[in-house]
Amino acid sequence: DAGVIQSPRHEVTEMGQEVTLRCKPISGHNSLFWYRQTMMRGLELLIYFNNNVPIDDSGMPEDRFSAKMPNASFSTLKIQPSEPRDSAVYFCASRFEGTEAFFGQGTRLTVV
Amino acid sequence: EDQVTQSPEALRLQEGESSSLNCSYTVSGLRGLFWYRQDPGKGPEFLFTLYSAGEEKEKERLKATLTKKESFLHITAPKPEDSATYLCAVQSTTGKLIFGQGTTLQVKP
Repeated sequence: DAGVIQSPRHEVTEMGQEVTLRCKPISGHNSLFWYRQTMMRGLELLIYFNNNVPIDDSGMPEDRFSAKMPNASFSTLKIQPSEPRDSAVYFCASRFEGTEAFFGQGTRLTVV
Repeated sequence: EDQVTQSPEALRLQEGESSSLNCSYTVSGLRGLFWYRQDPGKGPEFLFTLYSAGEEKEKERLKATLTKKESFLHITAPKPEDSATYLCAVQSTTGKLIFGQGTTLQVKP
């Protein structure tokens, strides 16, 4: 398996633009997590899905953020409109049941 | 509220100088404690899972232990290639996976 695949690896966008981050989890995994990592706040859990259903989105900072998981092999995290304070590295991770989670390489987002 | 606190924030060791990293947690029903290693520019990489107090896991120079309130990652005779950020995470009964801020380890030759 190629592991968790995230795209794009880097994204530079202007304030106010819509940004969509993509994630392909490991085949057979039934839980998927979206995290945001910054120097100040570390690795923050934004939302997680179990069997494609959002279970906890209490970490989503505000209504500008939304996440979907239309099927077991694809998820998106959308920011609309983007702001400079959204600049961070966004990670997707997947796992099977309660076992260890595997992370993608992350998407480095810069909003100017 | 589930919480994970790691200490120290940063640790500098000489090659061969053993030490320990701490992870203290409060969680509503622990369903697993995980240790990860993260290298710059990469995603966290899984090291260990611990499920119950008294459990220990080892891998090369690393050994993880668990009590009811904290976990330790012991590093024996570290080498420069052990330099990385070490992250601790806990899983609650709801399935959430919450991470601490991490300990950045630098091992000098």
